[in-house]
Amino acid sequence: DQQVKQNSPSLSVQEGRISILNCDYTNSMFDYFLWYKKYPAEGPTFLISISSIKDKNEDGRFTVFLNKSAKHLSLHIVPSQPGDSAVYFCAARGDSGYALNFGKGTSLLVTP
Amino acid sequence: NAGVMQNPRHLVRRRGQEARLRCSPMKGHSHVYWYRQLPEEGLKFMVYLQKENIIDESGMPKERFSAEFPKEGPSILRIQQVVRGDSAAYFCASSPQGGNTIYFGEGSWLTVV
Repeated sequence: DQQVKQNSPSLSVQEGRISILNCDYTNSMFDYFLWYKKYPAEGPTFLISISSIKDKNEDGRFTVFLNKSAKHLSLHIVPSQPGDSAVYFCAARGDSGYALNFGKGTSLLVTP
Repeated sequence: NAGVMQNPRHLVRRRGQEARLRCSPMKGHSHVYWYRQLPEEGLKFMVYLQKENIIDESGMPKERFSAEFPKEGPSILRIQQVVRGDSAAYFCASSPQGGNTIYFGEGSWLTVV
């Protein structure tokens, strides 16, 4: 029962361009959304989050957009850098208020 | 290092042995979570603990798996009689009281041979 879906397993972007990573969810009770970045053999690193009462949150090169009616969120990285190459996980907090539901991740490759 | 500390980073066990994974939360954090990542999968919630209390273990397999977070010392995820299917990366995370964001450790990679 995958409640958070990242339908693109991989994405390749040129350095300097915009990277857009997408995430869809099915549970309308989700109220808090997070993006994590993960390098191989390391733990996920928190990037940015957004509450369901907002539709946009920005932090430096990273912006997260939330469309509640479409149950869709996206992470924009601009400009993309080679060091951004990693797996990006979308996560949503459910009814319990603590357990995070994760997508399967999107592997981003930023080429010079 | 004030981050979430996990050990061991890598653990190899033979089928039938026990695996113990330890996690020390970030300083000031009183909530601990364990997640498991199987190959090619996302992270799956296993258990949520506060000091001396298991709050939610709905993601834990019914048998062989247990977790604790004692008053003193790290949280421990224990897997008894390991099988090949237990091979995975186990991530611990922590958050402060009332915190919305959880912060992950580097993970413990269990390989069952």
